[in-house]
Order: sequence, then C-alpha cells, then structure tokens
Amino acid sequence: QKEVEQNSGPLSVPEGAIASLNCTYSDRGSQSFFWYRQYSGKSPELIMFIYSNGDKEDGRFTAQLNKASQYVSLLIRDSQPSDSATYLCAGTPGAYKYIFGTGTRLKVLA
Amino acid sequence: DGGITQSPKYLFRKEGQNVTLSCEQNLNHDAMYWYRQDPGQGLRLIYYSQIVNDFQKGDIAEGYSVSREKKESFPLTVTSAQKNPTAFYLCASRTSGGRDTQYFGPGTRLTVL
Repeated sequence: QKEVEQNSGPLSVPEGAIASLNCTYSDRGSQSFFWYRQYSGKSPELIMFIYSNGDKEDGRFTAQLNKASQYVSLLIRDSQPSDSATYLCAGTPGAYKYIFGTGTRLKVLA
Repeated sequence: DGGITQSPKYLFRKEGQNVTLSCEQNLNHDAMYWYRQDPGQGLRLIYYSQIVNDFQKGDIAEGYSVSREKKESFPLTVTSAQKNPTAFYLCASRTSGGRDTQYFGPGTRLTVL
C-alpha cells in the first residue's frame, strides 16, 4: 500500500516562530509533492509543489524534498495566527493518482 | 472568474435515496477527481476521469457512480448502496501539461438523516 504519513499534531508554535511540518512517503516512484492548507470546514488550497531535491521558497513558505530519505517538509517562517490550519501533504505515485496524508494540525499562538 | 464550483454546499439525504453532487470547472482542465473526507481523515479517492467519456475507480468507489459527458462537468451520484455516505465531498481538477497540480472546489457536505 502506497502511503504518505504525517504526524496529526497539533503542532503548537508561538507567533513569529518557524513552524516545521514533515511528511514521509513510501513510493520511491513518486515524482511530485504538494502542500495544501485546509481551514476547518473549507476545502484544501494549494500552497506549494516541489519535484526536485532541495529547497523551494515562496514568500514565508519553504518546501524541502529529500528523495533519498523519502521525506518532504514545509517550513513556515514568521508564523501568524492566520496560519493555524491543517496542512495536507500529497504525493503522486502514478500518472493521475495522488495520495494524501491525514494532515498535521498547526496552531499558532498569539 | 475561472474556477471549480460545487453544488449544493450542504445536502441532506434520507436513507435509501440516491443523490447527485454537481462539479463544474471552467479552467479547461482535462482531468477531474472526486474525493471523500471524513473527520480527522485524509482525502480518499472515489473516482477520477482523465478525459471526456472515460473514468476510473479510485480506492473507495463502491456505492458511487459518475459520468463525464462534458469536459467541464463531472457529477457524482451517491447511491443507496453506499452504507456510510455522511462526509465532506471534494471535487478537484488537474492542470493540463506541466506539473500535475490539483485544485479543489469548495466542497459539498452530505448528511444522511
């Protein structure tokens, strides 16, 4: 069974700190990885995607991919209370297929 | 505005009824998806369609049916055979070409009374 694993949390960080969200995957064939943010009762919204080893930065967000370790992470700098949400990691083990983790709940404390 | 719309936002169903959830997109995306999300759970794939008049079962297709007669539309029917249909249903579409990014509609929350 191809899986994407995330710690369910909650991960609590103080306002202004760096939040680090982690995800591991089992299928070495996965090519692309996605981070979505989901507020309670709402649908997921795309934050970032990454498909090359290394870091990818977009504003306060940095995605990191390590294919050798099968590990994806999302760093949120200068965390704000508005960042409090569930963050979903997804991988693509095959054409047109996506596997989602169960999500990590982030709480940013004011 | 380009985007994905789902209707209705909330839907209540009596046991034994079939209901159809609507999903429309004007993004010119070829591939469309239906997922189910239960509290505290990740997204589970019900059906997906790569092109018009073609669709494939996902991991939890039992009790559901779909059609894809138009590129823009991918309705999902929840049949009476689905034993536990109360959930949040999400429709998504995927960019054509480039990196296969999925975007989601606002969702339909289905409750069985």
